[in-house]
Amino acid sequence: EVQLFESGGQIVQVGGSLRLSCVASGFSFGMYGMAWVRQAPGKGLEWVAGISGNNEGTFYAASVRGRFSIRRDNSKNTLTLLMGRLRPDDTAVYYCAKSNYADNSAANALGHWGQGTQVTVSS
Amino acid sequence: VLTQSPGTLSLAPGERATLSCRASQTIYRDSLAWYQQKPGQAPRLLVYGASRRAAGIPERFSGSGSGSGFTLTITRLEPEDFGVFYCQQYGGSPFTFGPGTRVDFK
Repeated sequence: EVQLFESGGQIVQVGGSLRLSCVASGFSFGMYGMAWVRQAPGKGLEWVAGISGNNEGTFYAASVRGRFSIRRDNSKNTLTLLMGRLRPDDTAVYYCAKSNYADNSAANALGHWGQGTQVTVSS
Repeated sequence: VLTQSPGTLSLAPGERATLSCRASQTIYRDSLAWYQQKPGQAPRLLVYGASRRAAGIPERFSGSGSGSGFTLTITRLEPEDFGVFYCQQYGGSPFTFGPGTRVDFK
């Protein structure tokens, strides 16, 4: 069974930094692209960042480029989102999600999702 | 940019739901997915590649369309089919979501 477990969400001040982690199990982690998707309170889904299975490709939404960094450690089945220069509009539930295809690509539909971790940026 | 219509759909169980997703430009290789999200839950993949049902998704959910116009159809709505439905394009980064269509019951 595929499982994705996010952690690291907390209340942080404007301008601060945060590290989110997602531990995966139940599949060959290194064969799948992964992504972070967020959802602000009462709002829709916003794709944040994606990474290929072999770590060679990373992709970002314009709203986070230059402030966030997506990384993965295939030896530990772990996906990470490093968040810096945080702003109030980064407040959201952050979901870790797995590509639907085992083709290494980050350009895939997202077939499995974690339950999310809450990030609150306070001014 | 993806736009979805209508914003809200109020229907009765047993009715047919037709949700639209339109892109501002052609989506590469029809790389378009649909998701359902219920309150307090993570999204669930319904359709990928514009028309391919994801594993375990009932046959009453079907996707169609190509290029820049796509449709999700739910034939004979079941009570558990409420929620917000999002389309997402993954043909080119950033892999954006549409604003969603809320389906609720009369």
